Amino acid sequence: RKEVEQDPGPFNVPEGATVAFNCTYSNSASQSFFWYRQDCRKEPKLLMSVYSSGNEDGRFTAQLNRASQYISLLIRDSKLSDSATYLCVGVTGGGNKLTFGTGTQLKVEL
Amino acid sequence: GAGVSQSPRYKVAKRGQDVALRCDPISGHVSLFWYQQALGQGPEFLTYFQNEAQLDKSGLPSDRFFAERPEGSVSTLKIQRTQQEDSAVYLCASSGRTESSYEQYFGPGTRLTVT
Repeated sequence: RKEVEQDPGPFNVPEGATVAFNCTYSNSASQSFFWYRQDCRKEPKLLMSVYSSGNEDGRFTAQLNRASQYISLLIRDSKLSDSATYLCVGVTGGGNKLTFGTGTQLKVEL
Repeated sequence: GAGVSQSPRYKVAKRGQDVALRCDPISGHVSLFWYQQALGQGPEFLTYFQNEAQLDKSGLPSDRFFAERPEGSVSTLKIQRTQQEDSAVYLCASSGRTESSYEQYFGPGTRLTVT
C-alpha cells in the first residue's frame, strides 16, 4: 500500500463546477501536508499548504483530518486553466522528504 | 530570480550506457533533492543533500545510482549501466528551508529514455 493514496481520475467537469479531491495517508508520523499542481510535461509547483484548521486561498480550500488521516482539496467555480494533475504530498523526516501521491487528473471543459 | 535548472532536458541512452544529469539549484538554497517520476505516477524521493552532505539516500533504487554535490551547490545524479526501467523524468528540487517553510522548488526535469 502506498503511503499517500489518491484517486487518479480523470475528473472531467464543466467550467464553473465545484470539484473535490480526496487523499489518504498511512504514515502517522507525517508532519505536514501540501497540495502541488503539475501541468502536463511540467514540474510540480506548490499550490497550498494543508492545516487542520483548514486553509482557503481564493477558490481553493484545503483541509486536513488527522484522526481519519485524510486530506481534501476543494475547487470552486472551476476554470479551464485549472486543468492539471493535483498531487497530495506528505512531509516526513524533519521536512527532508516529500512523499507524493500518484496525482488526480482534472479536466475542466467548456 | 533564476529558478532551478536541469540539464540535459532530454537524454536518450542505450541500455548499458552511463548517464550524468545535472542540477543547478536556486542560489543560496542549502537543501537539494532528487526525485524520479515514472509515467502516470507521482515523483518518488531518491536522495537529499544539505550543503555538500548527502543526508538521506534511502530512495536510490540500486547501487547503479549515485549522486554528489561536492561544493554544496550544483549536483549531479549519475546512473551507471542504464536499464530500461530507469526510463523516467528525473526532477531536482531545492529548498531554502526556513523553520516554517518546507516548500521545495522543482526544476523542469530531465526526461531519460533508455532504449
